[in-house]
Amino acid sequence: DAGVTQSPTHLIKTRGQQVTLRCSPKSGHDTVSWYQQALGQGPQFIFQYYEEEERQRGNFPDRFSGHQFPNYSSELNVNALLLGDSALYLCASSVRDEQYFGPGTRLTVT
Amino acid sequence: AQSVTQLGSHVSVSEGALVLLRCNYSSSVPPYLFWYVQYPNQGLQLLLKYTSAATLVKGINGFEAEFKKSETSFHLTKPSAHMSDAAEYFCAVTENSGGGADGLTFGKGTHLIIQP
Repeated sequence: DAGVTQSPTHLIKTRGQQVTLRCSPKSGHDTVSWYQQALGQGPQFIFQYYEEEERQRGNFPDRFSGHQFPNYSSELNVNALLLGDSALYLCASSVRDEQYFGPGTRLTVT
Repeated sequence: AQSVTQLGSHVSVSEGALVLLRCNYSSSVPPYLFWYVQYPNQGLQLLLKYTSAATLVKGINGFEAEFKKSETSFHLTKPSAHMSDAAEYFCAVTENSGGGADGLTFGKGTHLIIQP
């Protein structure tokens, strides 16, 4: 049973550009959450998708947007990248009360 | 609003000694509580969870945690540390809305160092 997968593994972008990160949930999971983990910090909740709609959102600007597809996979889009967006982006899938995390995408903004 | 405080950004113990990582939370409703472990350059792995059943929760790799409502604490313990336990540990809280786990609020993490 494949776990949560994310692509790409690493990404380097320039300030002002846009980026799309992808996540495939664990089999049977219908809810996907995204987190940003800055270096040396705990993950911070960005938003959560359920039934193709954003169900909950953390304290992140509108530059961060997402999408969930009918097969439950999800994308995270970040526009107008800032240097401060450099972080590990984690995707977690869940059903009921437990979230399973993927390995993350390391985004570097130069 | 929910929040988590992890006391001690770094904890160092000798191999074979007791591991104690502290976590205090605040929540306006009965919380769900979790401990995750993160090894370098990897994602998070669930160690254990509290979801309003037994207050003493046993997890993987010999870890356990006790939910104490009166102290708003959920400390993580392991009787005997192994070198392989060296990692970053995160405590997290969420409030279940009924349809599944809400977004988690994490503490800043505790880096566990195991001395040989």
